[in-house]
Amino acid sequence: ELKVEQNPLFLSMQEGKNYTIYCNYSTTSDRLYWYRQDPGKSLESLFVLLSNGAVKQEGRLMASLDTKARLSTLHITAAVHDLSATYFCAVDLQRGSRLTFGEGTQLTVNP
Amino acid sequence: GAGVSQSPSNKVTEKGKDVELRCDPISGHTALYWYRQRLGQGLEFLIYFQGNSAPDKSGLPSDRFSAERTGESVSTLTIQRTQQEDSAVYLCASSSISGNGYTFGSGTRLTVV
Repeated sequence: ELKVEQNPLFLSMQEGKNYTIYCNYSTTSDRLYWYRQDPGKSLESLFVLLSNGAVKQEGRLMASLDTKARLSTLHITAAVHDLSATYFCAVDLQRGSRLTFGEGTQLTVNP
Repeated sequence: GAGVSQSPSNKVTEKGKDVELRCDPISGHTALYWYRQRLGQGLEFLIYFQGNSAPDKSGLPSDRFSAERTGESVSTLTIQRTQQEDSAVYLCASSSISGNGYTFGSGTRLTVV
């Protein structure tokens, strides 16, 4: 059974600081997704990582995938308050199959 | 449509009543998924439809839960004899067999009183 674990689950950081969220998964896959969820809202797709070594960047967020280590990271650079949200990683085993989600990381960026 | 559409957006029901939740996927998306998200928690897989294949029902928590999908169009998730622990947001997603992403709807917030 595929398991996906994120850490930390709660992260409080100051504006301007850098931090990394980690996502580990238990079964070989080269397909990993990052989503953002604001309170009371649905999931917004951030990154789709589909190969070993994939790196994608959007603004202050950068995601990478190491399929050998079964690890993805979401790096936050110079955080701003607008990044406060819950971030989920998710894995599927093949195109179009179901997603298995991590528990989510609740990020709070303080002024 | 442009996105995944779910209705109703909010539903309050009395314990013991049946409810139906609807999901209208993106046109052309062959796969459709239902997830449940309890307050402050992650997403729990419920059921998955792929084209005309038999659905993967392995995530349904009890026989009170069922879902239907006609072809590659609308799906309904039915919860019979609702219980308070069914209170959650029910999210639907769809994907294309040729694409590399999943698009989520806005969800239905179900409250059982």
